[in-house]
Amino acid sequence: QSVLTQPPSVSGAPGQRVTISCTGSSSNFGAGYDVHWYQQLPGTVPKLLIYGNSNRPSGVPDRFSGSKSGTSASLAITGLQTEDEADYYCQSYDSSLSGSLFGGGTKLTVL
Amino acid sequence: EVQLVESGGGLIQPGGSLRLSCAASGLTVRSNYMSWVRQAPGQGLEWVSLIYSGGSTYYADSVKGRFTISRDTSKNTLYLQMNSLRAEDTAVYYCAKLPYSNYAGWFDPWGQGTLVTVSS
Repeated sequence: QSVLTQPPSVSGAPGQRVTISCTGSSSNFGAGYDVHWYQQLPGTVPKLLIYGNSNRPSGVPDRFSGSKSGTSASLAITGLQTEDEADYYCQSYDSSLSGSLFGGGTKLTVL
Repeated sequence: EVQLVESGGGLIQPGGSLRLSCAASGLTVRSNYMSWVRQAPGQGLEWVSLIYSGGSTYYADSVKGRFTISRDTSKNTLYLQMNSLRAEDTAVYYCAKLPYSNYAGWFDPWGQGTLVTVSS
């Protein structure tokens, strides 16, 4: 079964750095497909945060960065702020599904 | 500015049908890869369906054979026809655009979503 695995939750204090992992498989990341990340603040529409593994759309602070290596990807957030408290999702394409795939989501709590 | 506005959600009984619409402005639906993504209450995101600019369509296994994605060029609108609805189809349904001719790309922008509740 094709899945993208994320930790259910992560936390950090204001100013700290946190990372969110996303583990895929040979039919998505391992096949060369990119990872994309979304931020969903409570009660709002998902917002594109990182595309093409490490690119930030206009307006996204450089505190957010992404990377991918092999069958794993990660999102890093530095200088954590209270407004970063949200759900974060990774997404990729899966060749065995012939469609997109989302990770289960990670809830970030800023302590 | 690109804008996507969904409509058509509501309360429907199990086994019933519903058609969702996604009216687009600032982009031409027939020239873009467009998708539907859903989110069950308190749950994560789930990709539902994709239509290529050329018209090819793809579906998640969970909806294959029950849902149909389509578009109306004259209305610049994307649709999702949902048949044989089940309780597990209850979700907010979002339409979203993919990058030009990139089926493996990211979703941006997203519409505001429309809630579908399947319950007796």
